[in-house]
Amino acid sequence: AAGVIQSPRHLIKEKRETATLKCYPIPRHDTVYWYQQGPGQDPQFLISFYEKMQSDKGSIPDRFSAQQFSDYHSELNMSSLELGDSALYFCASSPPPGQGGDTQYFGPGTRLTVL
Amino acid sequence: AQSVTQPDIHITVSEGASLELRCNYSYGATPYLFWYVQSPGQGLQLLLKYFSGDTLVQGIKGFEAEFKRSQSSFNLRKPSVHWSDAAEYFCAVGAPGSNYKLTFGKGTLLTVNP
Repeated sequence: AAGVIQSPRHLIKEKRETATLKCYPIPRHDTVYWYQQGPGQDPQFLISFYEKMQSDKGSIPDRFSAQQFSDYHSELNMSSLELGDSALYFCASSPPPGQGGDTQYFGPGTRLTVL
Repeated sequence: AQSVTQPDIHITVSEGASLELRCNYSYGATPYLFWYVQSPGQGLQLLLKYFSGDTLVQGIKGFEAEFKRSQSSFNLRKPSVHWSDAAEYFCAVGAPGSNYKLTFGKGTLLTVNP
């Protein structure tokens, strides 16, 4: 079965650089979630989109922005990177409401290292 | 706001032994509860979930969990652990009123001894 695809899988950046993470949800899933997992930490919710509109926002820094496109893929844009942004970034997708929209399926994550 | 507590940071069991991982949640209404497993450097795989109905739910890989409202718990169990079960286990709660975003516990690292 198709899974959530994230790219790149690994990314190394310098401080103050920018990064773009991409997420391709499972086909026919219309909701995308982004989570950040620091070293040894639990995943923390950043932001979510439903039908290309932002649906919820968590502890996402102002330096980060995200959007969902017409084909439902999503991109997380990160600017002025800091050492503390080094983490594993997960994308998850869920089906439409009434079709299992209460369950999220996670991608393999993008490991971002900021030097 | 919802929250999840996993009291055990690290558990070690012998292969073939039984396993119980504890999870307590805080949420004002009926919670949507999940267990995910994460192998080193990997993503989060859904083991099982509870929304309503039968309080004992079966998942993949021989895992089960029991929802106990009176104790605000959703403990994960497996009767006989295999070496391949070594991983980190996260309990999570999702809230319908919050677009189902997940709040995770801190995780329990499971080590399996041969």
